[in-house]
Amino acid sequence: KAGVTQTPRYLIKTRGQQVTLSCSPISGHRSVSWYQQTPGQGLQFLFEYFSETQRNKGNFPGRFSGRQFSNSRSEMNVSTLELGDSALYLCASNFAPNAYGYTFGSGTRLTVV
Amino acid sequence: AQKVTQAQTEISVVEKEDVTLDCVYETRDTTYYLFWYKQPPSGELVFLIRRNSFDEQNEISGRYSWNFQKSTSSFNFTITASQVVDSAVYFCALSEAKGNTPLVFGKGTRLSVIA
Repeated sequence: KAGVTQTPRYLIKTRGQQVTLSCSPISGHRSVSWYQQTPGQGLQFLFEYFSETQRNKGNFPGRFSGRQFSNSRSEMNVSTLELGDSALYLCASNFAPNAYGYTFGSGTRLTVV
Repeated sequence: AQKVTQAQTEISVVEKEDVTLDCVYETRDTTYYLFWYKQPPSGELVFLIRRNSFDEQNEISGRYSWNFQKSTSSFNFTITASQVVDSAVYFCALSEAKGNTPLVFGKGTRLSVIA
């Protein structure tokens, strides 16, 4: 079966712009989580959605937002991009929160210039 | 608050050597889950194992084995007869059952296996 699909794989944006990243979970999975990975901070939790509801949110500014659709696909949006937002953004899916091991996508590498 | 510490930042071994990656965790919850993930250069995090806090049995899967010790809050990962394909960054992670908290990751250990 298909894995977790994240699009796009690479993105270059200018400071001040906004960006939308997409994540399609494994079929049947209703939980989608987002993580930011940077060399300095490591892997940090952004938010988790389950059945279209945000269940948990990490310690990120309001510029970071997300949503989940009825087909479990999820998007995250970052507005007013800053240089520090350059990172690998990883999406993970699961049947339900903590149901088993989360399956991660290959990520979207965002570069802000 | 939950915390995961992977004290080894980088490890380099020669092919066929055994290597152990350390993971120490902190949690106040009595029910929690521990994970190991592998991140090859492609960037995707590959799930290796999930262990719940009530199951202290060690597990072996091929060349991989895991040693879970609640007494020392450790969940160490051993690769036997390492291979070049094992070169990657390995992450240990923890989530607490109460509130279904998200995964908290350690900083990772970069393993280089030299032929």
